[in-house]
Amino acid sequence: KAGVTQTPRYLIKTRGQQVTLSCSPISGHRSVSWYQQTPGQGLQFLFEYFSETQRNKGNFPGRFSGRQFSNSRSEMNVSTLELGDSALYLCASSAGVANEKLFFGSGTQLSVL
Amino acid sequence: DAKTTQPNSMESNEEEPVHLPCNHSTISGTDYIHWYRQLPSQGPEYVIHGLTSNVNNRMASLAIAEDRKSSTLILHRATLRDAAVYYCIPYSGYSTLTFGKGTMLLVSP
Repeated sequence: KAGVTQTPRYLIKTRGQQVTLSCSPISGHRSVSWYQQTPGQGLQFLFEYFSETQRNKGNFPGRFSGRQFSNSRSEMNVSTLELGDSALYLCASSAGVANEKLFFGSGTQLSVL
Repeated sequence: DAKTTQPNSMESNEEEPVHLPCNHSTISGTDYIHWYRQLPSQGPEYVIHGLTSNVNNRMASLAIAEDRKSSTLILHRATLRDAAVYYCIPYSGYSTLTFGKGTMLLVSP
């Protein structure tokens, strides 16, 4: 089985721009969640989508949004980029059942200049 | 969310057992105890999880205290590939893991 695929692997943007990150979950998985990892704040939960609906949301501003398509692939969008948005963005997939393990991708490293 | 306390770092020699402790004294009755690890330049990787009794899988063993206020992840024979940051996470939700700072495990040959 192919693992979780995130594209692109690296991205450089400037302040004020917007960015879209993509995540393809493991085949058959219906839940995709997104996390932000920074040296200062560590790993923080952004949001989770299950069957095209946002099921859970973390404590991030509205500039961070996402969506999930009918094939379970997910995209995350950040608008009006700030320097502090520089981070590793990780996507995880699962079947969507409570308490089950998550499978993470290798992440997209976003640098905002 | 339950608060966890883990050592910042631990060291081990290759092929020796490693016991990684985690204190989660505020854990709720429905929280499972999950362990993930993150190798350099990779996303987190699931290791093991349990509720009350000890658990084993091909990667590790999880020993859970009777009062569930602490747990220990046991790597039976550490290898260089086990060098990573290990996270202990009390959890009972849907994909909403709350990561702490974890324990950085250093393995020497």
